[in-house]
Amino acid sequence: AQSVTQLDSQVPVFEEAPVELRCNYSSSVSVYLFWYVQYPNQGLQLLLKYLSGSTLVKGINGFEAEFNKSQTSFHLRKPSVHISDTAEYFCAVSPNDYKLSFGAGTTVTVRA
Amino acid sequence: NAGVTQTPKFQVLKTGQSMTLQCAQDMNHNSMYWYRQDPGMGLRLIYYSASEGTTDKGEVPNGYNVSRLNKREFSLRLESAAPSQTSVYFCASSEPGTDQPQHFGDGTRLSIL
Repeated sequence: AQSVTQLDSQVPVFEEAPVELRCNYSSSVSVYLFWYVQYPNQGLQLLLKYLSGSTLVKGINGFEAEFNKSQTSFHLRKPSVHISDTAEYFCAVSPNDYKLSFGAGTTVTVRA
Repeated sequence: NAGVTQTPKFQVLKTGQSMTLQCAQDMNHNSMYWYRQDPGMGLRLIYYSASEGTTDKGEVPNGYNVSRLNKREFSLRLESAAPSQTSVYFCASSEPGTDQPQHFGDGTRLSIL
């Protein structure tokens, strides 16, 4: 079985500042890793995914994440946030390429 | 636009009532999923259908049933709704083996009084 821990439930940040959202996972097998974003009253949209290859993954809207196998982490970063980045962010893992296990989510609030 | 469509978007039920949530996708995906989202708990898988004709329990199946009506449609039924089932329900679909992620609907907000 897999589990995902998002280490911060709330992250307040000022506009144009950098942000890092932390995600750790546990699994007895190799996994695929994902970050999804959920804007208020909407469904989930994929930000980026790691399946294999380069451990630095670039996604949409200027986000990137780094897979660290030894630390079983997949932290999400953005160098400069905008007000429009206010949303909830979910880290997810999958042992194959369909069933997902989600973390509890991190709410990012960007302030002017 | 292509995607996952859920109906209804909002519903209020009384305890003990039954209800079916509908989900349809037009991306020709083989796999479909039902999740519930509760504050502080992320999304939890209720049931999934790896392919047409098959369904399997996820993490929190109790109190729910599903039907994979055809390749496009995957419904979730609450036979006797309970207040603990108040949640936001998301349907998703994917095509395993294609390097593509799960696509999500916009959710159904269900309140049970």
